[in-house]
Amino acid sequence: DQQVKQNSPSLSVQEGRISILNCDYTNSMFDYFLWYKKYPAEGPTFLISISSIKDKNEDGRFTVFLNKSAKHLSLHIVPSQPGDSAVYFCAAPGTGSARQLTFGSGTQLTVLP
Amino acid sequence: IAGITQAPTSQILAAGRRMTLRCTQDMRHNAMYWYRQDLGLGLRLIHYSNTAGTTGKGEVPDGYSVSRANTDDFPLTLASAVPSQTSVYFCASSDGHGYTFGSGTRLTVV
Repeated sequence: DQQVKQNSPSLSVQEGRISILNCDYTNSMFDYFLWYKKYPAEGPTFLISISSIKDKNEDGRFTVFLNKSAKHLSLHIVPSQPGDSAVYFCAAPGTGSARQLTFGSGTQLTVLP
Repeated sequence: IAGITQAPTSQILAAGRRMTLRCTQDMRHNAMYWYRQDLGLGLRLIHYSNTAGTTGKGEVPDGYSVSRANTDDFPLTLASAVPSQTSVYFCASSDGHGYTFGSGTRLTVV
């Protein structure tokens, strides 16, 4: 049972336009969500997070929205830049003592110049 | 630079051979994790450790073992490698708030 789902394996966007990456989750106990960005041959790097007590968190060009009733979050990138081309993973820490992250399957974003 | 060091960066391994992937962190994080990344499946947890001396099984632990003798090191061992263990392996650590990942080990079992 996949607790964190990213249903779009890929997304292409024109430079300067908005990129919207989506993530759905099934476990209502998740209280924190993170987005990671991954370039080829590198490890995932933290991008932005949101607590379940908020519905929006913004950091520069990146904004994450959380809709708890729909168990859905989205990452908005505005404006998109070619350097944003990467795989984006949505993740949530488990409720166990180790707080291990559960990841979605990722979305490959390509920003076209 | 503080972070996680993984070694080797890549390896081709004959099936049936034993292999240990090394992971060292210098941030004094209590929790450490091993993930494997496979196309279309994201990152899946293999094993984790809350603190030195303790380990736990993740989503896909079969064929793998770990140890946590001290805070800094968290090696992952494949006792007898099989082709399905061909993957990219990431080690990570956490202080309970943020998570830091290594650059990964690309393992090919032939």
